[in-house]
Amino acid sequence: EDQVTQSPEALRLQEGESSSLNCSYTVSGLRGLFWYRQDPGKGPEFLFTLYSAGEEKEKERLKATLTKKESFLHITAPKPEDSATYLCAVPFYGQNFVFGPGTRLSVLP
Amino acid sequence: DGGITQSPKYLFRKEGQNVTLSCEQNLNHDAMYWYRQDPGQGLRLIYYSQIVNDFQKGDIAEGYSVSREKKESFPLTVTSAQKNPTAFYLCASCDSTGELFFGEGSRLTVL
Repeated sequence: EDQVTQSPEALRLQEGESSSLNCSYTVSGLRGLFWYRQDPGKGPEFLFTLYSAGEEKEKERLKATLTKKESFLHITAPKPEDSATYLCAVPFYGQNFVFGPGTRLSVLP
Repeated sequence: DGGITQSPKYLFRKEGQNVTLSCEQNLNHDAMYWYRQDPGQGLRLIYYSQIVNDFQKGDIAEGYSVSREKKESFPLTVTSAQKNPTAFYLCASCDSTGELFFGEGSRLTVL
């Protein structure tokens, strides 16, 4: 069964304390892995798309990497404004997507 | 500005009522989606449409209905058959790269 899992469920960091979020997937024939950021009470916002193992993308304090079975979202020296829920999603059939449950990140000042 | 507009932002429903959530996009995207999000859970697909006058059931379509009469519009009706409709509903459209563009969401509460 195609599925997407994320860990940890929640993560609390001190400002400046770097860490990584994990997204694991069991989808045959991966056609991309997407990362989104969601603030409370808002719709998710697109961050990155990764297509092949070994690919990396960066945006400010965030760097996403991809292997054959999982993706990591590395957060370097986070700030309180990075607090949000981070979701990953994988295309399923056609243009449908399977979403992971998300990691709720809190960065304390 | 281009984007997805959902309305209303908050909606209350009494038992036995049908309610309709609006979703409009001006991004000229063919594909549109409705997701449901419950606390602590990821997004679950209700319905999707890849072209006007055509739509497909997602994983949790029971108790919901949609229409796609115009490219810009994809309204979702939550019927009285949906026994647990209290949730956060998200509409999205998809571009050719697979990137999803989401609206701000509609929060439905059953009284």
